[in-house]
Amino acid sequence: EAQVTQNPRYLITVTGKKLTVTCSQNMNHEYMSWYRQDPGLGLRQIYYSMNVEVTDKGDVPEGYKVSRKEKRNFPLILESPSPNQTSLYFCASSLAGGQPQHFGDGTRLSIL
Amino acid sequence: QKEVEQDPGPLSVPEGAIVSLNCTYSNSAFQYFMWYRQYSRKGPELLMYTYSSGNKEDGRFTAQVDKSSKYISLFIRDSQPSDSATYLCAMADSWGKFQFGAGTQVVVTP
Repeated sequence: EAQVTQNPRYLITVTGKKLTVTCSQNMNHEYMSWYRQDPGLGLRQIYYSMNVEVTDKGDVPEGYKVSRKEKRNFPLILESPSPNQTSLYFCASSLAGGQPQHFGDGTRLSIL
Repeated sequence: QKEVEQDPGPLSVPEGAIVSLNCTYSNSAFQYFMWYRQYSRKGPELLMYTYSSGNKEDGRFTAQVDKSSKYISLFIRDSQPSDSATYLCAMADSWGKFQFGAGTQVVVTP
């Protein structure tokens, strides 16, 4: 089954404790992206990757890091999380940039 | 000013009515246009995708794109209670940068 898998689905943590949200896709997609979704603001792009070892900033990259060492994986790293990063996060992938994306089921992060 | 504007609703319609949704945008670099549906606690799922001005139809759904006016629309005919969800417009440029609207909550009442 074609899917984008995110882990964990839920996480409550404290300010400053480094965390990683993993994302994996099994569709051999070139393009992967991370979004955060906040009430009234919709989905905002954090980082995206057109291919292995190629990443670019979206609209809200501050406080986040990503890496794309393999085609299937695109982890999101919060080196020093802060409460304003409490949000619902989605990973997505597509064949190429601009193409329709498949989304994961989301990761709800709460940072206290 | 946001690059993509979408009325958040909620939009309430009776079953069987036509649902009309729209977004406006300001960035002429957007080349690809999409509509997604999102149910509570789930990821968005693609409804319609187009990369040119004009109409595209798929079953009960029709998407319209007017690049000259920077305006896109989605129409849902014969709406059903199962169409109750949040609908997101999305746009992308050729370099992979995406922008989403804030989403319109639609409620179809039996």
